[in-house]
Amino acid sequence: AQSVTQPDIHITVSEGASLELRCNYSYGATPYLFWYVQSPGQGLQLLLKYFSGDTLVQGIKGFEAEFKRSQSSFNLRKPSVHWSDAAEYFCAAGPYGGSQGNLIFGKGTKLSVKP
Amino acid sequence: SQTIHQWPATLVQPVGSPLSLECTVEGTSNPNLYWYRQAAGRGLQLLFYSVGIGQISSEVPQNLSASRPQDRQFILSSKKLLLSDSGFYLCASDRATGELFFGEGSRLTVL
Repeated sequence: AQSVTQPDIHITVSEGASLELRCNYSYGATPYLFWYVQSPGQGLQLLLKYFSGDTLVQGIKGFEAEFKRSQSSFNLRKPSVHWSDAAEYFCAAGPYGGSQGNLIFGKGTKLSVKP
Repeated sequence: SQTIHQWPATLVQPVGSPLSLECTVEGTSNPNLYWYRQAAGRGLQLLFYSVGIGQISSEVPQNLSASRPQDRQFILSSKKLLLSDSGFYLCASDRATGELFFGEGSRLTVL
């Protein structure tokens, strides 16, 4: 069955420290991959996406993610976390050409930032 | 650019009362539209999606229904709310590349 797994429910990092949020997927073919961020009480905002080509993708707010086919992973990274990055992060996978309701989300990782 | 409006933003309703959540999309035409629900600790659950006026696909049997009376309007309804309907409801549309664009959400509390 297709699935997206975010192993860490909650992560706490100090401001200025580096961050890596893990995402693993199980999919029949190489899916489109996405990372979204959700601030409390808000909708989800797209951080970045991977379709093909360069396996290191850059997103907004200084985030990047690396697609590793051999590990079925798409981990999100940021070299230096800011207090405003505290939010919940969702990884998602979907088919080529439009989700048509087939976008699969992980259960999310909540990020807390210590001053 | 594409914008999704949802209202009301917050709603407190008694058990057994009806529900209507509205979503309208601007900046695009003939979008695919989605209703998701977030319950605490359970991630995003796809409830309905629509590829056009009057075309609704239900992903999960439940106490809710959806309608699409106009191209850029998507409504989530219930005739009688249950406690388990409480949650954060998100409307979304997708782009040809498959990514979803979300509204700001509607928080429903059923008492």
